[in-house]
Amino acid sequence: SSDLTQDPAVSVALGQTVRITCQGDSLRNYYTNWYQQEPGQAPVLVIYGKNNRPSGIPARFSGSSSGNTASLTITGAQAEDEADYYCNSRDSSGNHWVFGGGTKLTVL
Amino acid sequence: QVQLVQSGSELKKPGASVKVSCKASGYTFSNYGMTWVRQAPGQGLEYMGWINTKSGNPTYAQGFTGRFVFSLDTSVSTAYLQISTLKAEDTAVYYCARDLIGVPGSSLMWWGQGTLVTVSS
Repeated sequence: SSDLTQDPAVSVALGQTVRITCQGDSLRNYYTNWYQQEPGQAPVLVIYGKNNRPSGIPARFSGSSSGNTASLTITGAQAEDEADYYCNSRDSSGNHWVFGGGTKLTVL
Repeated sequence: QVQLVQSGSELKKPGASVKVSCKASGYTFSNYGMTWVRQAPGQGLEYMGWINTKSGNPTYAQGFTGRFVFSLDTSVSTAYLQISTLKAEDTAVYYCARDLIGVPGSSLMWWGQGTLVTVSS
């Protein structure tokens, strides 16, 4: 089992706001990165650090954290946002990095 | 621009070995570590570890010690992942990736296209 826990699946109506969460004890001390992965493609970094978007990532993607839970929020979800999303941070020992189990986002 | 180009798909028998390459371009190779990530069919991403491209020192995540070896050829800006004594459960896509801010394993901005390793008799 992963040190980071994500809901397996989340759905959102087109144009609405969705929050994808990631829970883990290490998140109290370390930032969380978020990746988007479409079928058959390599992951794409969408949020890193406190709440930073790499160049080219739309402003509707944002990150936040409270206690042991990190969140990726998509404000005004688009059809092209339908994908798997993975969180990434330190493991519980703080010595290694780890990915969450992933969340499949469906845009209805 | 940063590019990571991996070697092609491999089909191996159980017990054999495989070596996956990841050729980097568009930046100074030794300035950033190289991270390796595994994704089994229909499964999530697994962090395997990273290799310091300046010293050659590898760091392996739990579950990836013993049969997995990271190595380099800095003369051609290439990182390698070798897996020995292959098992069916090693069937996966293996990715190399480079970080954005100098922290290997985190903020993985650039990814290779992935190499599918299939282990089957």
